[in-house]
Amino acid sequence: QKEVEQDPGPLSVPEGAIVSLNCTYSNSAFQYFMWYRQYSRKGPELLMYTYSSGNKEDGRFTAQVDKSSKYISLFIRDSQPSDSATYLCAMSPGGTSYGKLTFGQGTILTVHP
Amino acid sequence: EAQVTQNPRYLITVTGKKLTVTCSQNMNHEYMSWYRQDPGLGLRQIYYSMNVEVTDKGDVPEGYKVSRKEKRNFPLILESPSPNQTSLYFCASSLSSRGYEQYFGPGTRLTVT
Repeated sequence: QKEVEQDPGPLSVPEGAIVSLNCTYSNSAFQYFMWYRQYSRKGPELLMYTYSSGNKEDGRFTAQVDKSSKYISLFIRDSQPSDSATYLCAMSPGGTSYGKLTFGQGTILTVHP
Repeated sequence: EAQVTQNPRYLITVTGKKLTVTCSQNMNHEYMSWYRQDPGLGLRQIYYSMNVEVTDKGDVPEGYKVSRKEKRNFPLILESPSPNQTSLYFCASSLSSRGYEQYFGPGTRLTVT
């Protein structure tokens, strides 16, 4: 079983829809949770970064972490065609292994006009 | 311009011929890391470095070497490349030594025949 599981999709939604992207994980040591966005033929770029459980909002993006369920989500409100990309969750255990990062497989999202 | 650069961007080589992929950042970042990205497997961490002369293994270090002799550079060395190392490689850096908020390079497409 992979430490981090992410549905690869693809996910196709109409412009303006609310998008929900999710990851589950098995390693209870994970403390830091990140979402990256990757456009085709580009390197990933950081969208959101959260520590432990709770919500964090940044514009149209909201990240949620539920450590009790080992589940994290990224919500995109009022989705735009420019949001079409691959979304990757990533996690780090912190402590003596805080440089180590584990990614999910990535979810391919297409927002059509 | 703040950036992470990788060279070469594309490389085709033969089994067993030693190669080096260079990575350089101009942001005075403490942390640097190497990843490989393969279809269906997502991004997997190869090695990371939290400071000069400090390196540690990620999830898939076999067949790779790294060194961090100066802060700005973090080369990836394949001493005897094999076809299963054909992949898209990304270098990343972070101001935080813990590796949060990583900035990724543009990627190096490596093919080993």
